[in-house]
Amino acid sequence: AQSVTQPDIHITVSEGASLELRCNYSYGATPYLFWYVQSPGQGLQLLLKYFSGDTLVQGIKGFEAEFKRSQSSFNLRKPSVHWSDAAEYFCAVGLMEYGNKLVFGAGTILRVKS
Amino acid sequence: DTEVTQTPKHLVMGMTNKKSLKCEQHMGHRAMYWYKQKAKKPPELMFVYSYEKLSINESVPSRFSPECPNSSLLNLHLHALQPEDSALYLCASSLITTADEAFFGQGTRLTVV
Repeated sequence: AQSVTQPDIHITVSEGASLELRCNYSYGATPYLFWYVQSPGQGLQLLLKYFSGDTLVQGIKGFEAEFKRSQSSFNLRKPSVHWSDAAEYFCAVGLMEYGNKLVFGAGTILRVKS
Repeated sequence: DTEVTQTPKHLVMGMTNKKSLKCEQHMGHRAMYWYKQKAKKPPELMFVYSYEKLSINESVPSRFSPECPNSSLLNLHLHALQPEDSALYLCASSLITTADEAFFGQGTRLTVV
């Protein structure tokens, strides 16, 4: 079955430190991959997406993600975290073959300590 | 305009009430979605409309009834809900498919009493 796994429920990093959030997917073909961010009680905002081509994609707010087919991973990174990055981050897979579905991982809550 | 507007922002309803959630976008998107999000959980897909036609119903109970009157508007009609239906209801839209960026509204916080 198609699935998205985010193994870390919570991550705490110091302001200015680097960040990596993990995402693994289980899917027969190369999926459409996304990272979204959600602040408490708010909607979701797209950070970046991968469809094909260059496996390192740049997004908004200084985020980037790398697609690794061999590891079925799409990890999100940021070289220097700001306090305003504290939020919940969702990895998602677009499954057009299954009728236009967007399926989310369980999410990772990022806490930033000063 | 890259906004998806949801109204109301908050809704409290009794189990015998009938209410509706509204979602509007003016980006020319032809795919619109309803998601349900419980606290500390990811969004769960409920319904997908493509070109104003219902294309996915994720086995949602009939007390939730979606409607897409035109390409800009999506409604979710609620009737005889249960307290466990209390959640954040998110509307989203994308140009045509999930390969396109999905834009999300701020959500309606629903409490069923």
